[in-house]
Amino acid sequence: QSALTQPASVSGSPGQSITISCTGTSSDVGSYNLVSWYQQHQGKAPKLMIYEVSKRPSGVSNRFSGSKSGNTASLTISGLQAEDEADYYCCSYASSNTFVFGTGTKVTVL
Amino acid sequence: EVQLVESGGGLVQPGGSLRLSCAASGFTFSSYWMHWVRQAPGKGLVWVSRIKYDGSSTGYADSVKGRFTISRDNAKNTLYLQMNSLRAEDTAVYYCTKDSGSSSDYWGQGTLVIVSS
Repeated sequence: QSALTQPASVSGSPGQSITISCTGTSSDVGSYNLVSWYQQHQGKAPKLMIYEVSKRPSGVSNRFSGSKSGNTASLTISGLQAEDEADYYCCSYASSNTFVFGTGTKVTVL
Repeated sequence: EVQLVESGGGLVQPGGSLRLSCAASGFTFSSYWMHWVRQAPGKGLVWVSRIKYDGSSTGYADSVKGRFTISRDNAKNTLYLQMNSLRAEDTAVYYCTKDSGSSSDYWGQGTLVIVSS
């Protein structure tokens, strides 16, 4: 149950697009379309942004999108806004009723 | 409105025990899998455990297997996490979450557990 690998930080200017990667293995990300992404602002509980690789919950901006290729999932934020500055975590089902989170990525809006 | 309210956190000595509770409301608790997720101070999210809607199936992270037990009382709409043999590295905010399609669509505000002598 090793944590999924995410870049420690990603930054972009307002209006730009950024992509956060989430690399796992063939035992988790690569085997299941059960990757989710969470946004966490400082001192707050996480918020679900993407589930089942690319689905958006009701109320989440369509500027957020998800995808997966092989053992790597990605979250793209387009039209970056100041309010997007937060920590982002991926999570994947990893078999036998277990899950694994990513290491987390701090997004900075320049 | 879905609400998840954790309680039971606090200061405990290494080797001690603590039971966390999560009171759920605003949805049919008995129909959903539930999770516990933790976050050490200044660190990332770590999945801890999940339980099936009827309590018949559970899963644990390797780091807590054999020490923590997840359970639920559907009559009381409450989720539990019994934590035994606590270690300093178990110090964290513990979140209760509602499962939806193997993701967590609702989170509580968390309860802080500090393991220290």
